[in-house]
Amino acid sequence: GAVVSQHPSRVICKSGTSVKIECRSLDFQATTMFWYRQFPKQSLMLMATSNEGSKATYEQGVEKDKFLINHASLTLSTLTVTSAHPEDSSFYICSASQLAGGGETQYFGPGTRLLVL
Amino acid sequence: QQPVQSPQAVILREGEDAVINCSSSKALYSVHWYRQKHGEAPVFLMILLKGGEQKGHEKISASFNEKKQQSSLYLTASQLSYSGTYFCGTEGGYNKLIFGAGTRLAVHP
Repeated sequence: GAVVSQHPSRVICKSGTSVKIECRSLDFQATTMFWYRQFPKQSLMLMATSNEGSKATYEQGVEKDKFLINHASLTLSTLTVTSAHPEDSSFYICSASQLAGGGETQYFGPGTRLLVL
Repeated sequence: QQPVQSPQAVILREGEDAVINCSSSKALYSVHWYRQKHGEAPVFLMILLKGGEQKGHEKISASFNEKKQQSSLYLTASQLSYSGTYFCGTEGGYNKLIFGAGTRLAVHP
């Protein structure tokens, strides 16, 4: 149980284009979904918290207009990187939260590796 | 505030033990442990809740001391499959997790 999928796994795009990444909880309804960014050999940096039917809450320093988040249902959240630039190249990981083990546990998707040329 | 993990890196031979520590400057109600292999997403290991409990998962166990605001992950009789980066996560409010910088573990034959 607690499987989270992410699509696509890899994407290469030209500078200036937009890229959409989907995150789905396959066998449970997630109370909350989260989007992270990770640079090589670094920790997970939380970008935003997403709740179904409401606006995402962005972390300080994350541009809302650049990283658009839509949470259409309890099992689907999307991240759109708009007008991507080479510095947006990174590993983007989503997680879905479920009550387990006595607390809210986050289960991660497999990640999306974005390369902007 | 980001929890502090130590050590930054550990190199083991198969069968050896290791301890990874995670400490916070603020009061903790829970600590979450994950392992991430290169190029993959983090995998949930366990969650420890306030109460000083200890949990086990095969030969991997953890303790949580909320008075000291720290948790420790114990890897016993390490296997090659234990290699990866271990992250602890602490609450950042609204069910958010703030992750430590990670501890890289390499297990060699």
